[in-house]
Amino acid sequence: MLLQESGPGLVKPSETLSLTCFVSGGSLGSSSYYWAWIRQPPGEGLEWIGNLYHGGHTYYKPSLKSRVTMSVDTSKNQFSLNVTSVTAADTAVYYCARVSRLPSRGDVADSWGQGTLVTVSS
Amino acid sequence: DIQMTQSPSALSASVGDRVTITCRASQTIDKYLNWYQQRPGKAPKVLIYGAFSLQSGVPSRFTGAKSGTDFTLTISSLQPEDFATYYCQQSYNVPYTFGQGTKLDIK
Repeated sequence: MLLQESGPGLVKPSETLSLTCFVSGGSLGSSSYYWAWIRQPPGEGLEWIGNLYHGGHTYYKPSLKSRVTMSVDTSKNQFSLNVTSVTAADTAVYYCARVSRLPSRGDVADSWGQGTLVTVSS
Repeated sequence: DIQMTQSPSALSASVGDRVTITCRASQTIDKYLNWYQQRPGKAPKVLIYGAFSLQSGVPSRFTGAKSGTDFTLTISSLQPEDFATYYCQQSYNVPYTFGQGTKLDIK
């Protein structure tokens, strides 16, 4: 399974960041896994943004919840991330990932896109 | 949120060395702990999941262990391709959280 992020590399402050993750070699509709967005500011660590589950249910990190929306388009085999009212603090490499549910072992992000750098700047 | 604290933040070692990285959780996370390797400019890659299980295709020199809320990743004999940054991540509770990373470089 391959994942590929796409979207603008430059977004102005206060505008909306929109990214898409295209999934090839697999289906978006399995209950054995779900989808996630994870980001990494330049030179920093990883931050888990949220999850998109089978059936369209979502979970967002509370500190980002008011600005984040995730959705899926199964007809196009892709899912998306929107972050509104961006600031420089949202500058990061954004990764999409598949998260597998492993009985008695937890959930693990076992397939990642290559990442896309989004810079917030005027 | 569950805090994950890795140590050390950086580590210098030589090819053939045995190295251990530690990750401490701020509360119990059972065995829901994953380890990732990230090379510069690349996406993270899972090495160990569920604290102990080796991901398919990952060399057996990587092992995971657990003692209470302390978790370790050991590389038994460093190879040149192992010089990278390593992250732990808990999947016990959302929001899932990562350690701050351990950068392993060549001495």
